[in-house]
Amino acid sequence: AQSVSQHNHHVILSEAASLELGCNYSYGGTVNLFWYVQYPGQHLQLLLKYFSGDPLVKGIKGFEAEFIKSKFSFNLRKPSVQWSDTAEYFCAVNANSNYQLIWGAGTKLIIKP
Amino acid sequence: GAVVSQHPSWVICKSGTSVKIECRSLDFQATTMFWYRQFPKQSLMLMATSNEGSKATYEQGVEKDKFLINHASLTLSTLTVTSAHPEDSSFYICSARIPGQGANEQYFGPGTRLTVT
Repeated sequence: AQSVSQHNHHVILSEAASLELGCNYSYGGTVNLFWYVQYPGQHLQLLLKYFSGDPLVKGIKGFEAEFIKSKFSFNLRKPSVQWSDTAEYFCAVNANSNYQLIWGAGTKLIIKP
Repeated sequence: GAVVSQHPSWVICKSGTSVKIECRSLDFQATTMFWYRQFPKQSLMLMATSNEGSKATYEQGVEKDKFLINHASLTLSTLTVTSAHPEDSSFYICSARIPGQGANEQYFGPGTRLTVT
């Protein structure tokens, strides 16, 4: 069965630190990959997505992610985090024609001011 | 654009009663909507895929007679939790997909917190 794993459930960083959140998926075929963010008290929003082309994708708010097919990974990065990045981050994968997303468990990111 | 609303945002009901949650796409037509359930400190669990004008497709383990889904129009899908019990208390989230988009991007509603007493 397809699955998505996010390595860290909780991450605590200081402002200006660099961020990398891991995401690995299990599926051998063509995939669409997503990172969603859920700020406290708000609904899920799309950060970035990959479906073809350049494996390094840039999203909103300075986030980027790199698709490494050989590693089945789609890690999220930001060179310098801000307090406002405190949120929960979800990696999701779509690998079928039904447009269903398989979700990782989420990573709660806390940025200390 | 691509705004999805849910109503109500929270609801408290007594055990044994039914609750209807609405999901609307406000500025686009959505042939496909998804219903998720989110448990505390856990990820989203897909409950069902709702297609306009046809029966919903339920995920394994989700009781279709308990969680009734109706997608009667291109902008509205409803989830009715019938004979609710305390274990149905959860955060229910809907999402909608814009037809014709190349990639499967979903737009999420703000969620509905259901508490069954």
